[in-house]
Amino acid sequence: NAGVTQTPKFRILKIGQSMTLQCTQDMNHNYMYWYRQDPGMGLKLIYYSVGAGITDKGEVPNGYNVSRSTTEDFPLRLELAAPSQTSVYFCASSYGKESEAFFGQGTRLTVV
Amino acid sequence: QKEVEQNSGPLSVPEGAIASLNCTYSDRGSQSFFWYRQYSGKSPELIMFIYSNGDKEDGRFTAQLNKASQYVSLLIRDSQPSDSATYLCAVNWPGGGADGLTFGKGTHLIIQP
Repeated sequence: NAGVTQTPKFRILKIGQSMTLQCTQDMNHNYMYWYRQDPGMGLKLIYYSVGAGITDKGEVPNGYNVSRSTTEDFPLRLELAAPSQTSVYFCASSYGKESEAFFGQGTRLTVV
Repeated sequence: QKEVEQNSGPLSVPEGAIASLNCTYSDRGSQSFFWYRQYSGKSPELIMFIYSNGDKEDGRFTAQLNKASQYVSLLIRDSQPSDSATYLCAVNWPGGGADGLTFGKGTHLIIQP
């Protein structure tokens, strides 16, 4: 089982560039999440989705956008990258709201 | 304000001893609680989850929940060097939205051989 797959694993962006972080899961989970983790900090929720076609903001959504056209895919879009977006990004999915979250392997993004 | 508090450590424990990790949360109505282990440079992986007051045991791990005190802990018995990692406490909040889990900053645990 692949679980939650994220691409790319590493990326360096210049200030002002844009990119999309890809996330796909094969567990047929309705709930999907994007978190960012800064050094020495816990994970902060960026966006989440409860099903295809439904997305909502988390704690730190500014500078990001998401879409959920299928159950499997939940891409995260960064527009006009800023140094403050340097972080490790984790995609996760869960069966339900009360269920454990399964994480992808993470994307380490550096904005210079 | 949704808050999950953990002592960041590092917490240093001799090999073979019991490691005790603690977590407090701000919302008395929280329903589900999770402990994740995260090795450096890796993604979080679930260790334990607990929904009801009391203790829940799984091998060397025991999760303890006290909803009245808004307190959840993780005990690791017979600590091994491979247990050295950051342990993240996560809480799921009540309410209608999915919202995801709110994570503490994590406790860095070091098991000394």
